[in-house]
Parts: sequence; structure tokens; C-alpha cells
Amino acid sequence: GDSVTQMEGPVTLSEEAFLTINCTYTATGYPSLFWYVQYPGEGLQLLLKATKADDKGSNKGFEATYRKETTSFHLEKGSVQVSDSAVYFCALTLSVPAPLVFGKGTRLSVIA
Amino acid sequence: DAGVIQSPRHEVTEMGQEVTLRCKPISGHNSLFWYRQTMMRGLELLIYFNNNVPIDDSGMPEDRFSAKMPNASFSTLKIQPSEPRDSAVYFCASTLGPGLAGGNTGELFFGEGSRLTVL
Repeated sequence: GDSVTQMEGPVTLSEEAFLTINCTYTATGYPSLFWYVQYPGEGLQLLLKATKADDKGSNKGFEATYRKETTSFHLEKGSVQVSDSAVYFCALTLSVPAPLVFGKGTRLSVIA
Repeated sequence: DAGVIQSPRHEVTEMGQEVTLRCKPISGHNSLFWYRQTMMRGLELLIYFNNNVPIDDSGMPEDRFSAKMPNASFSTLKIQPSEPRDSAVYFCASTLGPGLAGGNTGELFFGEGSRLTVL
């Protein structure tokens, strides 16, 4: 079935460090891809998305590019802040409306 | 605009008791999803509805779990009887109806969750 694989956490970085969280997917068609963020005690919020190959999603300094050839959607940020500490989820969907298939999440801790 | 509203935010109950979790989707959204989040299993889809009709309930763990959507603005997830292994955060999410033409690119809008602890 369709699935998403994320790098295992937790990830601990110093403030202003570069962030990469890897995400690869397996899907029977051409999915839309998403990154969600979950702050402590809160629900999931959409961070960015891409609906077709080579699209780049970006928001709040985060970026991810939909790479069909490598079936990947890695999340990057050039300079993380303490406020970026959260759990990040990669997800896909093949149709609309339909459930999202989520990865297991990657916990990021940023220390000052 | 109001987001997805869930209640209660926290529930502590004893094994064997009935638990009812409630969800109000975003106005105008036609699809509603119930997910469960645990440390061990991550985010699991329990059930989802399109236009108030259950489409896929294969994720519902067992007959102790049931979900209803009596109208477009309200859904419930019921556990009866509850067990300690049901302890988790339960999320409700909603989205627009079908088709990119309707402006839906597939993203789900999540509520804040209901944290359930069964003792």
C-alpha cells in the first residue's frame, strides 16, 4: 500500500543550524505531498505542500521540493530557531477528498 | 474563521466506562476524518465520512468503537466499554468536498485533539 517513511528522531540542533528532515514515499500513482507540524499540546498544522513533480512548497523559511525521480519530499530550513521545536510529519494523498497517509513523525528540538 | 472544534480536550475515565468524543468541522467542509495518535503507532486513521456517509471504517479497532455523523456540522466517536489501551489523543479533521476545481488540494484541517486517559 501507499506509505511514507521519515527519518527517525529525535533531532537536536543548535539555533541557526541547517535543518534537513528526510521523507520518501511509496505510492501507486502521483500523490500530493504535505508537511505538517505539531507543537506541544496542539493539533497538526499544515506547514507546506506540493501537488505535482518539481513543485516547491515553502512557508516560514521551510522548503521542500517534490522529487518524482527519487520519490522524496525532504524538508529543509536554512537557520532554525528555538520556536521551531516541534514534531514534523510528512504525508501524502492520492485523491481528494481522502485521508492523508502520514509518516511516523520526527521530533525536532532546537537549543539556544 | 473558526477551525475544527473538538471536545472534551481532556478526558480521564475508568475502564469500562463509555466515552464520547465530539467534533464540529469547519463550516462548508464535506469530509470528516477521525485519527488516533499514540507514541507506539503514530497517527492512525480510524474512519472518514463524505457528506455525512461513512466511507471507510476499516481502521476502527473493534466493535467497542463507533462513529456517527448525523449532520454536516457534528460528529461523535464513541468507545464503549473503554479500556486502558484506548488511551491516546484523538484528532478530528475536515476538508472541502471533491475535486481540485472546488479548490481542494487535499490538505486536512485538524482540531486540537481530545486526550483520553483510561485508568
